[in-house]
Amino acid sequence: GESVGLHLPTLSVQEGDNSIINCAYSNSASDYFIWYKQESGKGPQFIIDIRSNMDKRQGQRVTVLLNKTVKHLSLQIAATQPGDSAVYFCAENDAGNNRKLIWGLGTSLAVNP
Amino acid sequence: NAGVTQTPKFQVLKTGQSMTLQCAQDMNHNSMYWYRQDPGMGLRLIYYSASEGTTDKGEVPNGYNVSRLNKREFSLRLESAAPSQTSVYFCASIEQALNQPQHFGDGTRLSIL
Repeated sequence: GESVGLHLPTLSVQEGDNSIINCAYSNSASDYFIWYKQESGKGPQFIIDIRSNMDKRQGQRVTVLLNKTVKHLSLQIAATQPGDSAVYFCAENDAGNNRKLIWGLGTSLAVNP
Repeated sequence: NAGVTQTPKFQVLKTGQSMTLQCAQDMNHNSMYWYRQDPGMGLRLIYYSASEGTTDKGEVPNGYNVSRLNKREFSLRLESAAPSQTSVYFCASIEQALNQPQHFGDGTRLSIL
């Protein structure tokens, strides 16, 4: 399943399928991007990050892709599990003040057993 | 290793009451942040402290004050609570200011009647 972030804030997938969560970022000068997972009643949890000198980075079952040409970031989750159900946020560093992050609105991922 | 600890976890206030939210981190991080999160929305930065002894406004500072008590602790104060400040408040910290993921506490759920 695939979401388009701001246009489709809820993504529903079947257990075992791959998930793709998309994010459009705002500033072409941003050079650092992060994906967070937030489960109900918890604070955001770091998943994976990527710097602008890369276009792909892989973690355990997750991959982040960065397309600087169209200012687009995506998070791919392989073999989605019920425990992946959460809200996913992308964030970019504030190029004018790199002590701050600019946050997306989030995408809710629901995994159906 | 506790990470970022926020107290209290829940609080109900009446309009006009004052309240201090506490945050402490045990990771020897330099920078600390206070966010609020409203239903269906991302995180909005209230105040941050790039290092001990400094504080700066974020995007929604009105109605709040902060104190960076020492390197470990960063408190958020509501002097005269208003219903519009009903929200979930998250504290975060990072080791250094540049291109590092923020680590979050589990939040304080604040309701103002």
